[in-house]
Amino acid sequence: QVQLVQSGSELKKPGASVKVSCKASGYTFTNYAMNWVRQAPGQGLEWMGWIDTNTGKPAYAQGFTGRFVFSLDTSVSTAYLQISSLKADDTAVYYCATDCCGAARFDPWGQGTLVTVSS
Amino acid sequence: DIQMTQSPSSLSASVGDRVTITCQASQDISIYLNWYQQKPGKAPKLLIYDASNLETGVPSRFSGSGSGTDFTFTISSLQPEDIATYYCQQYDNLRVTFGGGTKVEIK
Repeated sequence: QVQLVQSGSELKKPGASVKVSCKASGYTFTNYAMNWVRQAPGQGLEWMGWIDTNTGKPAYAQGFTGRFVFSLDTSVSTAYLQISSLKADDTAVYYCATDCCGAARFDPWGQGTLVTVSS
Repeated sequence: DIQMTQSPSSLSASVGDRVTITCQASQDISIYLNWYQQKPGKAPKLLIYDASNLETGVPSRFSGSGSGTDFTFTISSLQPEDIATYYCQQYDNLRVTFGGGTKVEIK
């Protein structure tokens, strides 16, 4: 079945970097765009942007430029989110989600990766 | 960016009640509006796409309607397993915005 499996929780110090992975299975990886969504503790969903899995071209939402980088390794059907210069308010669960059918139909989602930034 | 105003932010209803959530877009988004359910500690799940289409496998008590700027999500008969937070999501010109969410609880 179509599935996204993300890497495990991370605990990082302020100023460090983190790289979250999202491995796809059950479909042709390059058929669907990959999106990233952030959810801070007790808060709602915030779309971070997406990456075209055919071209590798990323597009970032407002507020997610500069320190946030989307990348791919198509040989292992995996998307990555890297965040540099981590701050305490980057503490959140980060989800990947495929756009299965266009018009932002996010299905399926990864299980989420908790990134905690604390000194 | 298009803003999505979702209301109410929370509600409490009895089992069997009809529950309605609304979402208003800051500009016309045609029918590009999806609804998700998120249970505590879990990833969101797509329920309704393109404003009114039920995702495969989703119970028929869930429905959506609307177009343009005003949208409605309905649970026709609330069940205990429907306790969750529900989010609307719009798509316009390769940009996505989520509503603030509605937490649904059992009275």
